[in-house]
Amino acid sequence: DGGITQSPKYLFRKEGQNVTLSCEQNLNHDAMYWYRQDPGQGLRLIYYSQIVNDFQKGDIAEGYSVSREKKESFPLTVTSAQKNPTAFYLCASSRTVDEQFFGPGTRLTVL
Amino acid sequence: GDSVTQMEGPVTLSEEAFLTINCTYTATGYPSLFWYVQYPGEGLQLLLKATKADDKGSNKGFEATYRKETTSFHLEKGSVQVSDSAVYFCALRQGGSEKLVFGKGTKLTVNP
Repeated sequence: DGGITQSPKYLFRKEGQNVTLSCEQNLNHDAMYWYRQDPGQGLRLIYYSQIVNDFQKGDIAEGYSVSREKKESFPLTVTSAQKNPTAFYLCASSRTVDEQFFGPGTRLTVL
Repeated sequence: GDSVTQMEGPVTLSEEAFLTINCTYTATGYPSLFWYVQYPGEGLQLLLKATKADDKGSNKGFEATYRKETTSFHLEKGSVQVSDSAVYFCALRQGGSEKLVFGKGTKLTVNP
């Protein structure tokens, strides 16, 4: 079945450590996105990529980094510079601009 | 900038009740409008969409009409079920942009 996978579902890290969240899609979509979801805040765009080897900052990119070396993969690194990293992170992909398909999410907790 | 405002939740209804979740937007031009649903512990799924004024999106018994004059896209369902319990997000996308702008979400709980 085609879809988007994010791993792991739950992730715990100590303060000051970098952590990388995985996102893989087999939908052959060109565009991929990372969102952060906080309670009562809705979703906020961190980074997005429209093609391989290219990506743009979203609304809250500070403290995050991404890479897009393969069409299928768009990993997100939460660096120690991110002041409040504990959140639910959602990855999405799209073939057209009208519909984004979301993965199941990764809940990151920084202890 | 563009923004989406949804009615604050949580919303609690009995099974078979009528549902309305209000959504209004602020944007220039004619954005596309969307409703996404998030079931507990999962990612978001597209529920319905409308791309121009007066269009009605519909899916799984849910409906929403793009009202340019009131800048609204209210979600309605005539008879909710327990399985409709979820968080509902209204969103817009400006023409030519890849970015979705989301509202804060409205949590719906349907009791048997």
